[in-house]
Amino acid sequence: SAVISQKPSRDICQRGTSLTIQCQVDSQVTMMFWYRQQPGQSLTLIATANQGSEATYESGFVIDKFPISRPNLTFSTLTVSNMSPEDSSIYLCSGTGNSGNTIYFGEGSWLTVV
Amino acid sequence: ELKVEQNPLFLSMQEGKNYTIYCNYSTTSDRLYWYRQDPGKSLESLFVLLSNGAVKQEGRLMASLDTKARLSTLHITAAVHDLSATYFCAAFTSGTYKYIFGTGTRLKVLA
Repeated sequence: SAVISQKPSRDICQRGTSLTIQCQVDSQVTMMFWYRQQPGQSLTLIATANQGSEATYESGFVIDKFPISRPNLTFSTLTVSNMSPEDSSIYLCSGTGNSGNTIYFGEGSWLTVV
Repeated sequence: ELKVEQNPLFLSMQEGKNYTIYCNYSTTSDRLYWYRQDPGKSLESLFVLLSNGAVKQEGRLMASLDTKARLSTLHITAAVHDLSATYFCAAFTSGTYKYIFGTGTRLKVLA
């Protein structure tokens, strides 16, 4: 199994600023993903974080707004840029093991934009 | 594009009753997952269903998968208050290597 840690766990941010969320896995994972969960909603896939190359973004999400890095197999960052109140959400980092049968989730980063 | 829908979206039930949550997905999926989320918490993995006809049980929860019907069910037996949470299913497609989540079912078990 893998344990995924996210920082920060919670933050209140000013409109127009940017925040970087860090995701650290305690063992190597094959794939890493970033999800957004808006209040009372389901999880929406933002992007797949690719090691050493640009992330693969889902429709509706762009690199300028959500730049992602993954320098190695155990670490990734997601930046939420030029935040607005609509960006207030939980951001979840996840990863899969070699078999891909299990997907692990971090505890989430709860962002409130004021 | 894979879409995953759950019903019902909200479920209020009495303790001791049985109920089923349904998860439909739109295209071929290799695996189906069920998760539980408590308010203010991240996701807790409940079941991973890997093949047609798979059935898994843990306590009062039982999940099954019918890949031909593109349907998974989560059956709750003799519900207790502690089962109150939001339940999500998620489907995986190996073609695009994505995990897509359902809309969620918010369950409230009344004492």
